[in-house]
Amino acid sequence: AQSVTQLDSHVSVSEGTPVLLRCNYSSSYSPSLFWYVQHPNKGLQLLLKYTSAATLVKGINGFEAEFKKSETSFHLTKPSAHMSDAAEYFCVVSQGTSGTYKYIFGTGTRLKVLA
Amino acid sequence: GAVVSQHPSRVICKSGTSVKIECRSLDFQATTMFWYRQFPKQSLMLMATSNEGSKATYEQGVEKDKFLINHASLTLSTLTVTSAHPEDSSFYICSAGDSPPRTEAFFGQGTRLTVV
Repeated sequence: AQSVTQLDSHVSVSEGTPVLLRCNYSSSYSPSLFWYVQHPNKGLQLLLKYTSAATLVKGINGFEAEFKKSETSFHLTKPSAHMSDAAEYFCVVSQGTSGTYKYIFGTGTRLKVLA
Repeated sequence: GAVVSQHPSRVICKSGTSVKIECRSLDFQATTMFWYRQFPKQSLMLMATSNEGSKATYEQGVEKDKFLINHASLTLSTLTVTSAHPEDSSFYICSAGDSPPRTEAFFGQGTRLTVV
């Protein structure tokens, strides 16, 4: 069965410093992995996705993530945090074989950006 | 493209009444739709999967008679919370995908349900 673990429930960084949000996954298949961002009382916005192409995935707003099969990780990074990055971030794995939309969500990481 | 519209964004209802939430795919045919529930400061929990024209598949622990899901067309799925109680207050989000599957599903904006 597929699962995803977000290692930090809260992360605080200063504006202009790097961001690292950690995610480990478990999957019996070649997984599809996603990072979503959610601002308060809003829906989900896709930041980036990995679907067995390039292991370094670039997303929107300067975010990127690297798929490391040996470490079963898909950590999200950004070189320089902005105040607008403060939000909840979810790491997601799609369940089953490729081409399914059934998502398993991580527990989320709340990113706080300090001025 | 690939827009999913969810309505209403917010609803307040009295305890004992029913509330319907709509999820529409605006520019593609959604053969599969998913309904999620999110408690405050928690993650999204899948409630059910619906395929157009067939009965929804509910996750373990989700009451079928409480959360009625209808997916009567390729562009519309509805979630009806029947006889709502305060503990049903939550954020509900739908997602939709077409066939053959693309690499990702597309999410609605969510509905904040408050039962008073």
